[in-house]
Amino acid sequence: QKEVEQNSGPLSVPEGAIASLNCTYSDRGSQSFFWYRQYSGKSPELIMFIYSNGDKEDGRFTAQLNKASQYVSLLIRDSQPSDSATYLCAVTCSSGGSYIPTFGRGTSLIVHP
Amino acid sequence: NAGVTQTPKFRILKIGQSMTLQCAQDMNHNYMYWYRQDPGMGLKLIYYSVGAGITDKGEVPNGYNVSRSTTEDFPLRLELAAPSQTSVYFCASSPVSSNQPQHFGDGTRLSIL
Repeated sequence: QKEVEQNSGPLSVPEGAIASLNCTYSDRGSQSFFWYRQYSGKSPELIMFIYSNGDKEDGRFTAQLNKASQYVSLLIRDSQPSDSATYLCAVTCSSGGSYIPTFGRGTSLIVHP
Repeated sequence: NAGVTQTPKFRILKIGQSMTLQCAQDMNHNYMYWYRQDPGMGLKLIYYSVGAGITDKGEVPNGYNVSRSTTEDFPLRLELAAPSQTSVYFCASSPVSSNQPQHFGDGTRLSIL
């Protein structure tokens, strides 16, 4: 069973701070890594994706991937109350010749004013 | 842009009834997926399809069936509904491989009583 692990939180940060969300995965052959944001009662929406080791930045968001240590993280700079949501990590894991997205349970982020 | 459309949005079923959850996408995506999400949990893959006429089981397929007769449509069939199938169901699609980001529908909230 391929696993994707996230701390369920909640992670509470003050407005303007950096929020750091972490995710570990068990399949060394994983190829693609995604972060989705999910507001309560809504569907997941893509925040970032990363395929190669290192950092990838998009506005206030930075995804970091370390394949040797099998973790991927998401940094949110200048956190805003509107960033309060559950963040889902997804990793494509090998399954019978295909690569299938496997999701973690999600980390709840609360940004307080 | 319609994207991924799911119907119905809400449904209450009695134990033992059957129903079909509809999913349609207008982006000409090859890959389509069905997930279920229980409270406080991540997304569990039920079935997926890599193209018309091809489907495969995910992590939690028992009690469900799918078909993919066209690129656009990927219905999920529940036979003999059970209380354990109470959940929120999300349909998603991705362009040409599962290593690309997924686009999600708005979800169907299903209660089995």
